[in-house]
Amino acid sequence: DIVMTQSPDSLAVSLGERATINCKSSQSVLYSSNNKNYLAWYQQKPGQPPKLFIYWASTRESGVPDRFSGSGSGTDFTLTISSLQAEDVAVYFCQQYYSTPLTFGGGTKVEIK
Amino acid sequence: QVHLVQSGAEVKKPGASVRVSCKASGYTFTGYYIHWVRQAPGQGLEWMGRINLNSGGTNYAQMFQGRVTMTGDTFISTAYMELSRLRSDDTAVYYCARSKNDLDWFDPWGQGTLVTVSS
Repeated sequence: DIVMTQSPDSLAVSLGERATINCKSSQSVLYSSNNKNYLAWYQQKPGQPPKLFIYWASTRESGVPDRFSGSGSGTDFTLTISSLQAEDVAVYFCQQYYSTPLTFGGGTKVEIK
Repeated sequence: QVHLVQSGAEVKKPGASVRVSCKASGYTFTGYYIHWVRQAPGQGLEWMGRINLNSGGTNYAQMFQGRVTMTGDTFISTAYMELSRLRSDDTAVYYCARSKNDLDWFDPWGQGTLVTVSS
């Protein structure tokens, strides 16, 4: 099984400042035949289901603000919020879809400082 | 617009079974997979398995093998997840989620169904 490890568990950032979340996979999720990273990011707010934010490690889902960006390749990935807004307070999860069982990181809680 | 609407909360005793439904609308039901993911209180997300609604083929996570059954009724565009021999640590919110391919991201998700296992 591919183990997904996120860091930090939580972070507090001032409004307008940058927030950076890391996700590391125990093996590469880069598929060599198409050069794509099988990695997604989700946002989850309290009492709501997760919402897809990014897929293929760096492609923003339609409607996701451009202050959110995903980067990385192979085993190391990052979700960056360039300028934190109040509505971004949530838990963020990474997920690999390279192989079954599909697995998620433990989540990173983003709060306002 | 694509929607997945799940059945309501359940309370079950240890050893019982529970079946959660997930009704799809806004897309061709048989053109996608439905996955089931659970989230224990205050915890992370755990993938349970998936069903190909075109073929009916399933793939379950090893930890649920023998206890979970995923099915689909294409006439009413509804997927089901049944979990048997319930234990207290099965208490969680159970989500259904759609994917286009077998190895894919999930979008959208159902609203979640809380299953509480308690004597």
